[in-house]
Amino acid sequence: NAGVTQTPKFRVLKTGQSMTLLCAQDMNHEYMYWYRQDPGMGLRLIHYSVGEGTTAKGEVPDGYNVSRLKKQNFLLGLESAAPSQTSVYFCASQTPGHLGDTEAFFGQGTRLTVV
Amino acid sequence: AQKVTQAQTEISVVEKEDVTLDCVYETRDTTYYLFWYKQPPSGELVFLIRRNSFDEQNEISGRYSWNFQKSTSSFNFTITASQVVDSAVYFCALSDNYGQNFVFGPGTRLSVLP
Repeated sequence: NAGVTQTPKFRVLKTGQSMTLLCAQDMNHEYMYWYRQDPGMGLRLIHYSVGEGTTAKGEVPDGYNVSRLKKQNFLLGLESAAPSQTSVYFCASQTPGHLGDTEAFFGQGTRLTVV
Repeated sequence: AQKVTQAQTEISVVEKEDVTLDCVYETRDTTYYLFWYKQPPSGELVFLIRRNSFDEQNEISGRYSWNFQKSTSSFNFTITASQVVDSAVYFCALSDNYGQNFVFGPGTRLSVLP
């Protein structure tokens, strides 16, 4: 049981390049989230999804797009990377709280540097 | 909008001291969930506790205890007899009943000195 897996774990991009971060979970969770973590700012929610085929904006969505074509996968895309997007990105998944007791599981993080 | 405030940016204590990490939250929901996560230097996020808004009973787990007070919108975390291995960044988080707006506070960096 792998839990939440993020791919890749490290990446260096040049300004203007595009890339996609993959988050995969094998726990059949409904909800998935993408966060970025910057020093002194905690985790800020970029986008989230409450089910297959649905996505919504979080606190800092600009410059990112997401897709949830399959329940187990949540993709985060950067169309034209900027140095301000240098950060550590975390993916999380959970089952809706009202359906039972659960925690939110996090991936190991992706360290992205845009030069 | 939901918001979590952790006013303590950094705390340093000497081993075996007790330490309390503060968490204050804002929400308009009547049903919500509160969390604490630990992020050690290795970077992963470790789940510590989840509490729903209808359960105000305080919880103790070993050296860890949590004090949930709806009247003051606080969910504070106390480590008793701190150890060097407790050194980490601790995050408080808030989620609504439907998993939307799962937001984190800025974190408190705890350093436990030997």
